[in-house]
Amino acid sequence: TQLLEQSPQFLSIQEGENLTVYCNSSSVFSSLQWYRQEPGEGPVLLVTVVTGGEVKKLKRLTFQFGDARKDSSLHITAAQPGDTGLYLCASRLTFGEGTQLTVNP
Amino acid sequence: KAGVTQTPRYLIKTRGQQVTLSCSPISGHRSVSWYQQTPGQGLQFLFEYFSETQRNKGNFPGRFSGRQFSNSRSEMNVSTLELGDSALYLCASSSGRGPISNTGELFFGEGSRLTVL
Repeated sequence: TQLLEQSPQFLSIQEGENLTVYCNSSSVFSSLQWYRQEPGEGPVLLVTVVTGGEVKKLKRLTFQFGDARKDSSLHITAAQPGDTGLYLCASRLTFGEGTQLTVNP
Repeated sequence: KAGVTQTPRYLIKTRGQQVTLSCSPISGHRSVSWYQQTPGQGLQFLFEYFSETQRNKGNFPGRFSGRQFSNSRSEMNVSTLELGDSALYLCASSSGRGPISNTGELFFGEGSRLTVL
């Protein structure tokens, strides 16, 4: 079973700051998904990355897949309180433990 | 297009009881997987079904079981409940033509929050 390690586990920042969340594995990913989960709800798919070196943008969120397809990052520019939530990386049936992001107004 | 529907949303049981949770996938989705989410353990994979067949099973005791019906709806059952079974149980469906483990993208329901007293 592929293990996914996310860092940091917790992140509390002020509105307008930038942040980066990391997802790493010792194994090669065939594909990797990022999800966001808000309290009381199920995770919602944000993006899928497949190709090594791939970069995808979703408004202020930038997702990068490592060249060797063993790591990925999520960068948020000018964070807003609405970005608050649990960010999860996943590959197939395995999920990282998540990064709990809190953006304070 | 309706999303994944899970019932019930909340339930309270006592130790030793059993519980059945239901999941209706997005129309046309044939793959369903189940997860247990707790603050300490994160999202843990329980089982995956495709075309009424269990394709993968996570590392959970035999008290946890599931099944999928011909209309792709799925149920999971937990027997002889323990305090540690208190968790949010999430169901996800996939549009992939094969089992979820080959496609990756999942669409989750809002979950069933189980409290065991």
